[in-house]
Amino acid sequence: DTEVTQTPKHLVMGMTNKKSLKCEQHMGHRAMYWYKQKAKKPPELMFVYSYEKLSINESVPSRFSPECPNSSLLNLHLHALQPEDSALYLCASSQPRDGNQPQHFGDGTRLSIL
Amino acid sequence: DAKTTQPPSMDCAEGRAANLPCNHSTISGNEYVYWYRQIHSQGPQYIIHGLKNNETNEMASLIITEDRKSSTLILPHATLRDTAVYYCIVRVYSFSGSARQLTFGSGTQLTVLP
Repeated sequence: DTEVTQTPKHLVMGMTNKKSLKCEQHMGHRAMYWYKQKAKKPPELMFVYSYEKLSINESVPSRFSPECPNSSLLNLHLHALQPEDSALYLCASSQPRDGNQPQHFGDGTRLSIL
Repeated sequence: DAKTTQPPSMDCAEGRAANLPCNHSTISGNEYVYWYRQIHSQGPQYIIHGLKNNETNEMASLIITEDRKSSTLILPHATLRDTAVYYCIVRVYSFSGSARQLTFGSGTQLTVLP
């Protein structure tokens, strides 16, 4: 069982909809990450939050809007997505001054854009 | 972070040891070698990591060559549930500054055969 919980597990939405993906961890980690994974490809980083502040944005389109309301929660707000945004969205957490500590991943939200 | 090279696929008989190689010839002295795996439809799962000494845990062993330019992940008694994509990742560690992402390569698809 994963210690990083993502909801929903599956999401189908139209291009004009607004939805949010949620991620929660209770390991006391102060860094949280969003990755995007297309079919048969490795995960690619989207955003990094460190101590609840956005520290890395990998030039992600503005239709993806991350939010970190507290140290345990990470949201990804979606608006006006395109069909090519269909993918598995993965959340991860770790200690920010991480030395050699690993990241822990959730099982992702599988998003389909109609 | 240094680039890694892994074979795209490998087969292993159930009950036998699975040895997954990884080349990281440009690794720097402050970079760790991490191994993750991703079972179909799940998030990446941390397996093991090391700097220069061999490491063992309940899941696997990690053998790093003396020059640190390559490593081998060993699953001592592979089961069907070990069928997954295995990622070897090299990552700088830092005890200061913000969190750093994992940069995934293409990985090795390990298929454990009955």
